[in-house]
Amino acid sequence: ETGVTQTPRHLVMGMTNKKSLKCEQHLGHNAMYWYKQSAKKPLELMFVYNFKEQTENNSVPSRFSPECPNSSHLFLHLHTLQPEDSALYLCASSQEQGSGANVLTFGAGSRLTVL
Amino acid sequence: GQNIDQPTEMTATEGAIVQINCTYQTSGFNGLFWYQQHAGEAPTFLSYNVLDGLEEKGRFSSFLSRSKGYSYLLLKELQMKDSASYLCAVPDSNYQLIWGAGTKLIIKP
Repeated sequence: ETGVTQTPRHLVMGMTNKKSLKCEQHLGHNAMYWYKQSAKKPLELMFVYNFKEQTENNSVPSRFSPECPNSSHLFLHLHTLQPEDSALYLCASSQEQGSGANVLTFGAGSRLTVL
Repeated sequence: GQNIDQPTEMTATEGAIVQINCTYQTSGFNGLFWYQQHAGEAPTFLSYNVLDGLEEKGRFSSFLSRSKGYSYLLLKELQMKDSASYLCAVPDSNYQLIWGAGTKLIIKP
C-alpha cells in the first residue's frame, strides 16, 4: 500500500457508457494528478489539482472530466470513450506542486478497457 | 523541445550488476528522478539527483552529469525481485514531470 488508493482496479466499458474512476490519498498531500499509461509509451500527464484548484489540463479530450472535491479525493469521469482510450490510469499525489524535488506517490492504477 | 531516452529492455543475471542509462534534453534543469514499477503495481520513487555525481542507496545508485544530459541507475547484487520497469523523468519549466518510456529489466537465474 502506497497511501494512494484507486478504485476500481479493472473496468470494462462500452463506448456509450458513463463510469468514474476514484482516487483517495491518506498522506496529507495537497496536489493530485491523473496520468495515462499505455504500453511502451511514456506516462502522459492529464490533469493536475493543487489545493483543489485545477492547474493543468494537458489538452485532454472532453470525454474525460476530472473532479476534485477536496485535497484527499480525485475523480475521473468517463463518457463516450473510444477504444484507443484503453490504458492504465494512474493517480498520484505530492506534498504540493511547484518545486523540482516534488516526489510523486502513485496508486496502483485502474486498468480501463473500452470495447 | 524536451526529450527523454532510455533503452526499452535489458536482461541481466541474478547476482550481477546492471546499469540503466537515461539521456535527456530540457530547457533548464530542475533535477532528475528514477522510479521503479513492478508489473501491475504503482510506480515507486527511487532517487532524485540535482547535483552532478553518484548517490548511493544500498544496492541502488544513481548518477548524474548535467553537462552531458545523462544519468544512470546502477543496480548491484541483482535479485529476482528487481525485475521491473525503471522510469526516468525530469521536471519541465512548470515542474511537471516529462517521462521516458521506461526500461523493462528482466533478471534471469
